[in-house]
Parts: sequence; C-alpha cells; structure tokens
Amino acid sequence: QPVLTQSSSAYGSLGSSVKLTCSLTGGHTTYRIAWHQQQPGKAPRFLMKLEGSGSYNKGSGVPDRFSGSSSGADRYLTISNLQSEDEADYYCETWDSNTHWFGGGTKLTVL
Amino acid sequence: QVRLQESGPGLVKPSETLPLTCTVSGDSISSGDYYWSWIRQPPGKGLEWIGDIYYSGSSAYNPSVKSRVTISVDTSKNQFSLKLISVTAADTAVYYCARVSHLSPVRGATDLWGQGTLVTVSS
Repeated sequence: QPVLTQSSSAYGSLGSSVKLTCSLTGGHTTYRIAWHQQQPGKAPRFLMKLEGSGSYNKGSGVPDRFSGSSSGADRYLTISNLQSEDEADYYCETWDSNTHWFGGGTKLTVL
Repeated sequence: QVRLQESGPGLVKPSETLPLTCTVSGDSISSGDYYWSWIRQPPGKGLEWIGDIYYSGSSAYNPSVKSRVTISVDTSKNQFSLKLISVTAADTAVYYCARVSHLSPVRGATDLWGQGTLVTVSS
C-alpha cells in the first residue's frame, strides 16, 4: 500500500513563500494526490488534486496563491505571499479503487 | 451549495455501538457523481479514512476497522450512515462525513467535508 510521508512542521514568514512536501513510497511513486488544509478548530478543506505529471486542479474558491507541482515521488504544495490565515495543518491524500490514505500532516506556522 | 452535516450521539459507552448519520443537502446522493465517505481524527492526531459507499450500496472499508464497521445509504432521505460496533476509547475522535468525486478533473479526491462531530467513548 502507498505510504505518504510529510514533515511534521514547516515555517514561513508573512508575505513569503513556502513549499510543503508529500513523499510517496511503497512502490506507488506515480500516484496522484489531493492536498487539504485544516485551520485550527475547523474541518479540513479540499485545496487541489495533483497529478504525478505536476498538473493540478483546485477546489472552488482556493486562492491563486496556492499551487502544486511534482517531481518523481514527491508532491508539493507551494503557498505564495503567506497570510496569517494560512497557518494550518496540511494533509495529503491518495487513493486506489478501494481505499484512501492520508499523510501524517504538516503544521505550518506563519511567523 | 452542497453541504454535509453529521449527526449522532456525542458520548458512547465502551463496548456499545457508535451510530452517525450524514445528511446531504444541495445535491442528490443518487446522482452517481460521488462516493460518500467517513473519515475520523482522534484528538490532536491525523486523519484516518474509515470507508465509503456509492448510492447503489457498494461499499469499501479500511481493513483496520472492517470487522466492526458498516456504512449504509438511504437515498430517500439523502443520507448515509456509519455504524461502528464494540467501541473502545481508541475510537474517540472527530468523525467527518465527506464526498469523493467520481467526476473529472478531480475524480477520486475527497473534495468536500462536513463540519465534523466529536464522539467520545467513555463510561
């Protein structure tokens, strides 16, 4: 089964950019993923589906500041012009025909 | 605007059954455009997929809970439900109902979440 590995924490300054990583292992390095944002005390929110090719499709209302990219087994979420409301946990998700898996999440702190 | 709303008891005793219902508004479960899933999050921890169901009743479950869980759908009420038997303290979590797209371009992704409901297992 695929395993999704995320760093436990990340930091970025207000107005800067940050790149979060989700690494696919377990022989599933071509899998597509989804990125989700969970602000403190809230439900997760779908941000985008990201293909192994690097193409991505965002959810409704997701700001242009959020983008995705891929390289090999790694899937990235880049947040530009960091805002205070971007401070949140970010989870990646992948799936096959019968099951879904989530990464452990990255806690992003905006300094 | 499509919304998902969980409902059920906030407290369940150990060894008993945890029942939750998700009511879908703004779209028909029977459209066939989505799967409908349950995901949980223990306090301070990450997300765990429990299982999902299609409007036809076809379902899939996480092997870690498969022996204890049943997900069902009631298209007449536009609802789907979760039943988890023999609960323990380890089942204490926020339970989310969610939607999995069957449509391009985000086919397969969980693309909409309910607000979640905290269920505590305690005597």
